[in-house]
Amino acid sequence: GQQLNQSPQSMFIQEGEDVSMNCTSSSIFNTWLWYKQDPGEGPVLLIALYKAGELTSNGRLTAQFGITRKDSFLNISASIPSDVGIYFCAGQIDGSQGNLIFGKGTKLSVKP
Amino acid sequence: ETGVTQSPTHLIKTRGQQVTLRCSSQSGHNTVSWYQQALGQGPQFIFQYYREEENGRGNFPPRFSGLQFPNYSSELNVNALELDDSALYLCASSWGAVSYTFGSGTRLTVV
Repeated sequence: GQQLNQSPQSMFIQEGEDVSMNCTSSSIFNTWLWYKQDPGEGPVLLIALYKAGELTSNGRLTAQFGITRKDSFLNISASIPSDVGIYFCAGQIDGSQGNLIFGKGTKLSVKP
Repeated sequence: ETGVTQSPTHLIKTRGQQVTLRCSSQSGHNTVSWYQQALGQGPQFIFQYYREEENGRGNFPPRFSGLQFPNYSSELNVNALELDDSALYLCASSWGAVSYTFGSGTRLTVV
């Protein structure tokens, strides 16, 4: 079945540093989504990407939809303590009727 | 605008029992999906409901079933609970297949 490889699994960085994480797939997706999940909560949508090559920003977050449609990355600039959490990528194939395929997550920890 | 609400937030069941989880979709959303998230993993798609019918299903056995009601709320039913069913169950609502909004989930523990 389809799988998403998300890396790194975890990161431990200094406040103010930039962060980069990515997802790769063996399958082609037509939508890439990036979510953040805090403990005890559901995932919250950060950025949605719908076109190959698309680069989208949301505040300090920037994500890109890879040109091959098989990968995506998320960058966080100037990290702050509230960026702590688990970040998930999710891909969807058009017509897959709701089937978002998630990566295993990147756990971000920030030193104050 | 209300978000996605799920109930209960936590529950404990015994192996072999049956459980029903509930979800109220976000205002204006007509589609509901359910996901299972095991500890340390990403969510896995169980199924999706649109216009009160299941229109997509992941790799889950038939003992996982659901309903969608005319007000777009939904239920997830799991029969013959197994220990491996212990997980966070997430409901997500959307308008069609765009911009899924997740609830906070129901933490199910099977003992």
